[in-house]
Amino acid sequence: EAQVTQNPRYLITVTGKKLTVTCSQNMNHEYMSWYRQDPGLGLRQIYYSMNVEVTDKGDVPEGYKVSRKEKRNFPLILESPSPNQTSLYFCASSLTTSRVGTDTQYFGPGTRLTVL
Amino acid sequence: QQPVQSPQAVILREGEDAVINCSSSKALYSVHWYRQKHGEAPVFLMILLKGGEQKGHEKISASFNEKKQQSSLYLTASQLSYSGTYFCGTRRGSQGNLIFGKGTKLSVKP
Repeated sequence: EAQVTQNPRYLITVTGKKLTVTCSQNMNHEYMSWYRQDPGLGLRQIYYSMNVEVTDKGDVPEGYKVSRKEKRNFPLILESPSPNQTSLYFCASSLTTSRVGTDTQYFGPGTRLTVL
Repeated sequence: QQPVQSPQAVILREGEDAVINCSSSKALYSVHWYRQKHGEAPVFLMILLKGGEQKGHEKISASFNEKKQQSSLYLTASQLSYSGTYFCGTRRGSQGNLIFGKGTKLSVKP
């Protein structure tokens, strides 16, 4: 089944304890992206990746890191989480962004993160 | 630049119609519409290209006015299953990044 998976789905942690949220897609998609969703603010992009080893900042990258060593995986790293990073996180992927019809984004199920 | 959606929320009775707007201050290449049900991930509805294209998906259709840099999502004869938050995403170039609006919460009541 074609899908985007995220782990963990739920995480409660404490300030300063490094964590990684994994994202994996099995559709051979080039483009992957991380969003955070907060009430009233919609989906805000954290980082995105056009392809392996190519990543770039989105609108709210502070406090986050990413890497794209393999096409299928795009982990989100919080080196020192803080309470203002409590949010719902979505990973998404699309085949490419260069042609309409191939740039439909498929979202993972979300990761609800609470930082105490 | 984040596109602006209006209204922020709308409540309908089953069978009523609604229009959700998405505006940008910059020239757009494409507009994308997604729907998110409570507790779930956003799901793709449709893409519109510049050129005033109009598309439809069952009783949900959309248009894109290139001159106004505005897209409108039309929901006719709404059903309970239409409830959710609708997001527009805009792309400024063929390889540009997809930026989402803040969403419009649609509630359909029996």
